[in-house]
Amino acid sequence: EDQVTQSPEALRLQEGESSSLNCSYTVSGLRGLFWYRQDPGKGPEFLFTLYSAGEEKEKERLKATLTKKESFLHITAPKPEDSATYLCAVRGSSNTGKLIFGQGTTLQVKP
Amino acid sequence: NAGVTQTPKFRVLKTGQSMTLLCAQDMNHEYMYWYRQDPGMGLRLIHYSVGEGTTAKGEVPDGYNVSRLKKQNFLLGLESAAPSQTSVYFCASSRMDTEAFFGQGTRLTVV
Repeated sequence: EDQVTQSPEALRLQEGESSSLNCSYTVSGLRGLFWYRQDPGKGPEFLFTLYSAGEEKEKERLKATLTKKESFLHITAPKPEDSATYLCAVRGSSNTGKLIFGQGTTLQVKP
Repeated sequence: NAGVTQTPKFRVLKTGQSMTLLCAQDMNHEYMYWYRQDPGMGLRLIHYSVGEGTTAKGEVPDGYNVSRLKKQNFLLGLESAAPSQTSVYFCASSRMDTEAFFGQGTRLTVV
């Protein structure tokens, strides 16, 4: 069965203090790993898609990487506006279309 | 382009009442999803659909039914609401194997 585990549950950083969020997954035949950002009271907003081990994607201060067992979301020199909950999701080949999410990491960046 | 639209945005139900949540997408996406989000538990998949006329169970399907009679619409029904169904419900849609786009959410309270 497809599973996604994110760590840590919560992360507090000072502005400019770089760190990484982890997403460990178990899936039969990965057909996509997705990162989202969610602000309070809103729906998740898409950030990145990764399809194969070794793939990397970047956007501003965020960089997502993928191995065969986990993905990392690296945040470089974060700003207070990066504060949000970050969600990871996977889609596998065993159940066509099924998209499973982890429980998320809530990031707080203090000025 | 409206994207994914959920109706209603807020609802209060009494225990035992029934209701239907409507999700509409205008992106001609094949896949559609219903999730619930509770504090500290990320997004949990209720039901999903990979095409018009098809539905499948997700992680937490009990107490819910769905229908996808038209490609652009995905309905989530609660036949007899229970306080445990108090949650924020999100609908999403996607093309095959690509990122999902989310609606703004429906906040449901069952008293």
